[in-house]
Amino acid sequence: DAMVIQNPRYQVTQFGKPVTLSCSQTLNHNVMYWYQQKSSQAPKLLFHYYDKDFNNEADTPDNFQSRRPNTSFCFLDIRSPGLGDAAMYLCATSRGWGGSGYEQYFGPGTRLTVT
Amino acid sequence: QQPVQSPQAVILREGEDAVINCSSSKALYSVHWYRQKHGEAPVFLMILLKGGEQKGHDKISASFNEKKQQSSLYLTASQLSYSGTYFCGTEKVAGGTSYGKLTFGQGTILTVHP
Repeated sequence: DAMVIQNPRYQVTQFGKPVTLSCSQTLNHNVMYWYQQKSSQAPKLLFHYYDKDFNNEADTPDNFQSRRPNTSFCFLDIRSPGLGDAAMYLCATSRGWGGSGYEQYFGPGTRLTVT
Repeated sequence: QQPVQSPQAVILREGEDAVINCSSSKALYSVHWYRQKHGEAPVFLMILLKGGEQKGHDKISASFNEKKQQSSLYLTASQLSYSGTYFCGTEKVAGGTSYGKLTFGQGTILTVHP
């Protein structure tokens, strides 16, 4: 019954070693989002896709990249993780966009540790 | 710009009521409310669209005053399961690059004791 799936749930990487987090959805939603959530903070939007259209937040570091090869899958690549990138990474989806009243469905998150 | 939530934390006994407020300095199209338990993903509670609507689900309801750009979440007769961090997410009105995106408030930690 899982709707938004994230793998792995826990990821440990070394400083500077590239890492990829994955998200898949069974909802066939058009929009997919990546959020970064640090301890005791609100989720912060990194980027989103509307279908294949990619939108990057202005303050998302260049170190973060994303790919969406098809409707179901989305990946977050961190090219050279720093200690400050340790966080929970949340993937979310929604059926529509922009004032449409569509809720966002969140995956369980991937907790990234950088050593 | 991040919406401001108040209070930052609330401690209740089972059966007590609570109100969580969310305030924005920008004109809003919608307000979303989520609850997140420690180490888990945020769970959707409800959306309020501009038009000054109110919504309710079981003992949790919310209102949205678009003139004041404020929303309030009302938790009635709280249960232990209500414990968690509550986030409001605001969506600004159409126009510009912020359309359709949610900006989350800093969260309100709700603790319900037996």
